[in-house]
Amino acid sequence: SQELEQSPQSLIVQEGKNLTINCTSSKTLYGLYWYKQKYGEGLIFLMMLQKGGEEKSHEKITAKLDEKKQQSSLHITASQPSHAGIYLCGAYFSGSARQLTFGSGTQLTVLP
Amino acid sequence: GAGVSQSPSNKVTEKGKDVELRCDPISGHTALYWYRQSLGQGLEFLIYFQGNSAPDKSGLPSDRFSAERTGGSVSTLTIQRTQQEDSAVYLCASSPGQPISGNTIYFGEGSWLTVV
Repeated sequence: SQELEQSPQSLIVQEGKNLTINCTSSKTLYGLYWYKQKYGEGLIFLMMLQKGGEEKSHEKITAKLDEKKQQSSLHITASQPSHAGIYLCGAYFSGSARQLTFGSGTQLTVLP
Repeated sequence: GAGVSQSPSNKVTEKGKDVELRCDPISGHTALYWYRQSLGQGLEFLIYFQGNSAPDKSGLPSDRFSAERTGGSVSTLTIQRTQQEDSAVYLCASSPGQPISGNTIYFGEGSWLTVV
C-alpha cells in the first residue's frame, strides 16, 4: 500500500546485531500494529501502538510511534535466527477505522 | 479453539469451479476480517464483519466474491467461477471489536488457494 511504506524491504544481519525497521505513513495514524509472518504461516501479533510517543517492548523487540503519529519503528536488540521472517506494519486511519491497511513488509534474515 | 481456525489449509481447484473457505474466529470476538495475500504482494483487505453484518465490503474484488457470517461466529468466503488470478492465501482475522477501540486483531494461518 502506498499509504504505508516500510523500509528496508529486506535486511540481512549477523546474529547478535541490532536492527531497525521503519513504517512511514502518508497521513496521521490512528493506530499501528506490528506483525511477524513466517513463510506459509499466518501473522503473529507483536505489538499495537495508539498514542503519539508511545513505546512498547516485548522480549528483545521494541516498537515506537512518533509524536506526530506518522511513523513507527521496530527495533530488535541482539538479533537471533528465531527473529527471521517478514515484519508487517498495519495501520488504521480516520475514515477507515474498520480495516487495517498493511505495508508491503520487511524480509529479515539473521545469519548464525 | 484457542486461535482463529481456517479450513481448508490448502485447496487446488480447476478454473471455473466454485470454492468455499471457512473461518472459525476466536470465541466471543464480534469483529471478523478477510484478507488476501498474493505471491509477492501485500495484504489486501476484502471484507469486515461486525456480528453477522458486513458494514465494510469495499475490498471484494468482484461480484464473484461473497462472504457471510452466521450466528456471529463462523464465516464463509465463497469465490464463484474461480480464475487463475484468484490464486492466493486467504487470511481470516478476528478481534473483540473495532481496531479504533484498541483491540488486538488475531490472524489465522490462512487458506492457500491454487487455481489451475
